[in-house]
Amino acid sequence: GNSVTQMEGPVTLSEEAFLTINCTYTATGYPSLFWYVQYPGEGLQLLLKATKADDKGSNKGFEATYRKETTSFHLEKGSVQVSDSAVYFCAPANSGYALNFGKGTSLLVTP
Amino acid sequence: DAGVIQSPRHEVTEMGQEVTLRCKPISGHNSLFWYRQTMMRGLELLIYFNNNVPIDDSGMPEDRFSAKMPNASFSTLKIQPSEPRDSAVYFCASSFGTGQRNTEAFFGQGTRLTVV
Repeated sequence: GNSVTQMEGPVTLSEEAFLTINCTYTATGYPSLFWYVQYPGEGLQLLLKATKADDKGSNKGFEATYRKETTSFHLEKGSVQVSDSAVYFCAPANSGYALNFGKGTSLLVTP
Repeated sequence: DAGVIQSPRHEVTEMGQEVTLRCKPISGHNSLFWYRQTMMRGLELLIYFNNNVPIDDSGMPEDRFSAKMPNASFSTLKIQPSEPRDSAVYFCASSFGTGQRNTEAFFGQGTRLTVV
């Protein structure tokens, strides 16, 4: 099955700092790749996605590029805000299979 | 659409009691997932239904756990008997999948279960 490796954190950054959360995956075939975000007390929601190699997903200032050669989908944001404090989950998905998540990466942004 | 609806939002029960969690997926979605989230193990897939049929239940911890999906608009996750180690947040999610792609999964707000 599919699996991901991402740092658990917590990652603590000051407001306006640059963010990178690394994600490498193992999967069969050519999965779609997703980043989900979980704000405190809520369920997960899709942040961005990419469906094929070299695609770049972007949303709310976050970006991630599907790198098939390195099986990576690193999440970046140029200037984080306090409101970005959340847990971030990377997940590959093959058709017909459920998304498998891990512990995610906890991000805390301080003023 | 109101999104994925889970009930109850919070449940506190005594060890040994039966617990039933409920989920209403988004109308038109054909895939439904139950996840459990704890600090120790993160977000674990328990079971995955497609077109109301269980496809993968390998994540169901043991026989105390059972899940049903009697129709496209309703699913339950039952724990009988419950134990303190079942305390967690349980999420239901739904998506629409074809033979080629799965669309994004939409999550409910979760049910926080505490077994004392």
